Amino acid sequence: RKEVEQDPGPFNVPEGATVAFNCTYSNSASQSFFWYRQDCRKEPKLLMSVYSSGNEDGRFTAQLNRASQYISLLIRDSKLSDSATYLCVVNPLYNFNKFYFGSGTKLNVKP
Amino acid sequence: EPEVTQTPSHQVTQMGQEVILRCVPISNHLYFYWYRQILGQKVEFLVSFYNNEISEKSEIFDDQFSVERPDGSNFTLKIRSTKLEDSAMYFCASRRGGDEQFFGPGTRLTVL
Repeated sequence: RKEVEQDPGPFNVPEGATVAFNCTYSNSASQSFFWYRQDCRKEPKLLMSVYSSGNEDGRFTAQLNRASQYISLLIRDSKLSDSATYLCVVNPLYNFNKFYFGSGTKLNVKP
Repeated sequence: EPEVTQTPSHQVTQMGQEVILRCVPISNHLYFYWYRQILGQKVEFLVSFYNNEISEKSEIFDDQFSVERPDGSNFTLKIRSTKLEDSAMYFCASRRGGDEQFFGPGTRLTVL
């Protein structure tokens, strides 16, 4: 079973829409969780860390569900510039120095 | 704003040749990483480096690969005898001690 699994998409949404992605992880002892954004042929960039209580940053909201072992990302009022691939990243408790990446969910925001 | 830099941006090499990919992490960072991303696939962890030694490596990071921090600023990844399947983007990342990793722009390696 893969450490981190994501729906590859693509999610095609109109501007202004709300869209949500989920990511499941296999290791219940996972410690830290992140959402990164990757534009085509560019490096990953941190979008937000995901905290146990959930957290919000502007139009972006991240949630963690430890019981079901998934994290989610909600994007409200989508902009054209949100078009990218969103990567779920997990850091296991047993290894602080190793990070597992999901294969990413592609988002296309259309005018 | 400080950033991770990588050189070269694109490296073309013949199969069997050695390549060295270079990274300059952010100056006060303590943890360093190499990742690779084959075109169209996910980012894969290769190795992490802390306190001048490898702290973790993946199954991909076999004897063909080595890392060094030769002078306190550069962080290099060497591939001793490249194979066609080593063609990928290689990303360097660094982290000070908190959670966030900062990635460099990557080196595209093409093995012919």
